[in-house]
Amino acid sequence: NAGVMQNPRHLVRRRGQEARLRCSPMKGHSHVYWYRQLPEEGLKFMVYLQKENIIDESGMPKERFSAEFPKEGPSILRIQQVVRGDSAAYFCASSPQGAPAKNIQYFGAGTRLSVL
Amino acid sequence: RKEVEQDPGPFNVPEGATVAFNCTYSNSASQSFFWYRQDCRKEPKLLMSVYSSGNEDGRFTAQLNRASQYISLLIRDSKLSDSATYLCVVKGDTGGFKTIFGAGTRLFVKA
Repeated sequence: NAGVMQNPRHLVRRRGQEARLRCSPMKGHSHVYWYRQLPEEGLKFMVYLQKENIIDESGMPKERFSAEFPKEGPSILRIQQVVRGDSAAYFCASSPQGAPAKNIQYFGAGTRLSVL
Repeated sequence: RKEVEQDPGPFNVPEGATVAFNCTYSNSASQSFFWYRQDCRKEPKLLMSVYSSGNEDGRFTAQLNRASQYISLLIRDSKLSDSATYLCVVKGDTGGFKTIFGAGTRLFVKA
């Protein structure tokens, strides 16, 4: 049973380019969460999605960042016009359907974004 | 005040030592509590859930005090492999899904 799959593992972009990060949840999981971790800091919640719905995006920057979880395919975190401050590790987690407050989140290995 | 606060450490302990980590949270409506560990440049992995009655898993014991909004993790007989950052996680408010991670407490276990 494959775990949460994220790709790419490492992504290098120049300032102004777009970054697309993909996350395939564990089989049977319908909830996806995205987090950002800056060097030497804790994980910061960005967005919580279910299939075709954004449930909570309170942690997303107001501009340049967007997320989706389509009916088919992986969840995508998209960063437009990247800046150096976007360099971070981006983790995706998934949890099964059910009481969201109780469900354990399982994490992917993360995507490390470096902006030159 | 941060929503979830942890002592950043680092804690440097010898093998075999007992070490305790503390965590406080600000939202009294929080519903679920967890400890995760994160190795350097790796993803967080669930260590254990935390229940009001307290729970134990081998050398690890977690406690929750809802009245004081305080969570603890005790590690007995520390091993070299316990060296990691330990993350206190608080989940769920009235919406049920918001997850807040503490900044983590770093532990180094030395031979």
